[in-house]
Amino acid sequence: AQTVTQSQPEMSVQEAETVTLSCTYDTSENNYYLFWYKQPPSRQMILVIRQEAYKQQNATENRFSVNFQKAAKSFSLKISDSQLGDTAMYFCAFMRGGATNKLIFGTGTLLAVQP
Amino acid sequence: GAGVSQTPSNKVTEKGKYVELRCDPISGHTALYWYRQSLGQGPEFLIYFQGTGAADDSGLPNDRFFAVRPEGSVSTLKIQRTERGDSAVYLCASSTPSHNEQFFGPGTRLTVL
Repeated sequence: AQTVTQSQPEMSVQEAETVTLSCTYDTSENNYYLFWYKQPPSRQMILVIRQEAYKQQNATENRFSVNFQKAAKSFSLKISDSQLGDTAMYFCAFMRGGATNKLIFGTGTLLAVQP
Repeated sequence: GAGVSQTPSNKVTEKGKYVELRCDPISGHTALYWYRQSLGQGPEFLIYFQGTGAADDSGLPNDRFFAVRPEGSVSTLKIQRTERGDSAVYLCASSTPSHNEQFFGPGTRLTVL
């Protein structure tokens, strides 16, 4: 069975600074996808960034980038130039490739961006 | 375009009652998922529909939980004989045939007194 672990329940960062959120996962699959979702107090889960396991290049979306270490089964999220609107819960998620496409989530990291 | 919608946004019920939670996916999305998010936890998978059929219902906790999607669009999650432990936010998501990105609704917060 696949598992996703986020070991940082809470993080804090000053506005305009950079912060890295950690995520590790366990799987025996070779074909899979990894995601970071943001959940603000409104409860709406918003996709931040995704990574295909077969791609060696780390995904980047504007101020958000990942450090994907497949051998170490690590998938960290870096947020550059943090903004107050980045304050939210961040969930790392795993999806196996193929017929069943359920997401397996970690327990989340609450990020607070301080002015 | 319109995103995934869920109704009601909040539902308070008494232990032992029956509840129905509705999800309206994005038009044209053939895949629909239900997740349950307890306080302080990440969402947990309940059931996945591809069209009208349940392709994977392995996450349903017991036979009090049931979901349908009769016309391949709107889905209803049904909970019988509710228990206090069923209190959670129930999230719905939908995706296109490529399945790689799931779009989530705002969730229904269920409180069982």
